[in-house]
Amino acid sequence: GAGVSQSPRYKVAKRGQDVALRCDPISGHVSLFWYQQALGQGPEFLTYFQNEAQLDKSGLPSDRFFAERPEGSVSTLKIQRTQQEDSAVYLCASSFSGGNTEAFFGQGTRLTVV
Amino acid sequence: QQQVKQSPQSLIVQKGGISIINCAYENTAFDYFPWYQQFPGKGPALLIAIRPDVSEKKEGRFTISFNKSAKQFSLHIMDSQPGDSATYFCAASRRGGGYNKLIFGAGTRLAVHP
Repeated sequence: GAGVSQSPRYKVAKRGQDVALRCDPISGHVSLFWYQQALGQGPEFLTYFQNEAQLDKSGLPSDRFFAERPEGSVSTLKIQRTQQEDSAVYLCASSFSGGNTEAFFGQGTRLTVV
Repeated sequence: QQQVKQSPQSLIVQKGGISIINCAYENTAFDYFPWYQQFPGKGPALLIAIRPDVSEKKEGRFTISFNKSAKQFSLHIMDSQPGDSATYFCAASRRGGGYNKLIFGAGTRLAVHP
C-alpha cells in the first residue's frame, strides 16, 4: 500500500477483555515502531522491531502488553486484560532502515476501554 | 521523565501572522530534532527536521531555529494560514543509536483565525 495501514481504526473493549491491534507497514520497510498517544499528549514510544527482531521494548507499560512481527512485515500489538488507563490512540510507524531514515506514521487505532 | 518540554500548550494567531513554538531538551546525546504536524484523526506527519550542526533550517514558510548551547529549538511558521491549524509536536532522537526512537513533546494546538 501507499502508506502505513492500521486496523481497526476504532476499538471499544470492556475492562478485562483482550485486544489485538494490527499494523501493515510500508512494503520493504525494515523498521517498525509502536507508540501510545494519550488524549491531549504527545506519542510515547512503546517498542521497536528491526525485521522480525524486537530490539527495544523498554516503553511497554506492563507485561499485559505484547508485540510481535513474526515475518518481518505485519505487526500486532496485543493488550491483555485491558484497563481504563489503556485507553489511548496506538500509532504504528515504519521506516526504510535504521537511524537515518524518516518514520512514516499510520492513522492509529483509538482504543476505548469501558 | 519529560525529556522534551514544549510550549505553549495552545496558540491563536491571525492569518498572515507568525506562529512560534518552542522546545527544550535535556539529553545532549540527541542528534536529530524533527517537528511533526498532526490533524485530528490522522497520524503525525514530518514537517521539517534539523541536526545540531546547523543553527537554522528553512523550508518554505517553516523555519527551525536551533540553539545547541541552550538546548532549545523552535518552529516558526511565517504567513500563517487557516490550513496550518493543527497540533504540532517537537521531538528528539539519537539516530546514532541505530534506530530513530522519537521522544515527543506534549504538543501545541495552533489555531489560525481568518
